[in-house]
Amino acid sequence: DTAVSQTPKYLVTQMGNDKSIKCEQNLGHDTMYWYKQDSKKFLKIMFSYNNKELIINETVPNRFSPKSPDKAHLNLHINSLELGDSAVYFCASSRGHGTDTQYFGPGTRLTVL
Amino acid sequence: AQKVTQAQTEISVVEKEDVTLDCVYETRDTTYYLFWYKQPPSGELVFLIRRNSFDEQNEISGRYSWNFQKSTSSFNFTITASQVVDSAVYFCALYNFNKFYFGSGTKLNVKP
Repeated sequence: DTAVSQTPKYLVTQMGNDKSIKCEQNLGHDTMYWYKQDSKKFLKIMFSYNNKELIINETVPNRFSPKSPDKAHLNLHINSLELGDSAVYFCASSRGHGTDTQYFGPGTRLTVL
Repeated sequence: AQKVTQAQTEISVVEKEDVTLDCVYETRDTTYYLFWYKQPPSGELVFLIRRNSFDEQNEISGRYSWNFQKSTSSFNFTITASQVVDSAVYFCALYNFNKFYFGSGTKLNVKP
């Protein structure tokens, strides 16, 4: 039973395309997050959702849009992909926002050609 | 301004040595949380510890221990008797004002 799952694990696509990454958690948590880790291993939080409401929206291009159909899912849509979007994207969840243990998905490696 | 600094980019030790990973943070708030995460070569992210700003007690978990000192704004992580499986990138993070701030990570190489 995977606690936090992401699909796909790898995503290779052309510049200009639109793509989505899906995330699901079966922990009953109220908060979910999207992180981006670049090639230099820098970690940055992009979004967090608490009970389907956006809490944090760091400085992220509006080409990135999180979609939360329900508390257990937080999908990431990326429009007009650029080379600089190549990174590993991690989904995570926690019981409460920020102060509780976060459980991470396995990551999605996005490569934009 | 909020900031987390992990000055050690990479550390190499030989198995069974003790090693300390440094984390220095900046915040103007009195209520905040500090975290450590581990990212082994396989790539997954693993939560290690959470500490709130009102709890300065040091914590020990097996070979891992954490030293939180508000006076020096530091939250250092020590691995005792290191093992090859400890090889990973370790991230320190700060949470306050509804935002997270991550350090740049310290890569630990433990050689047999």
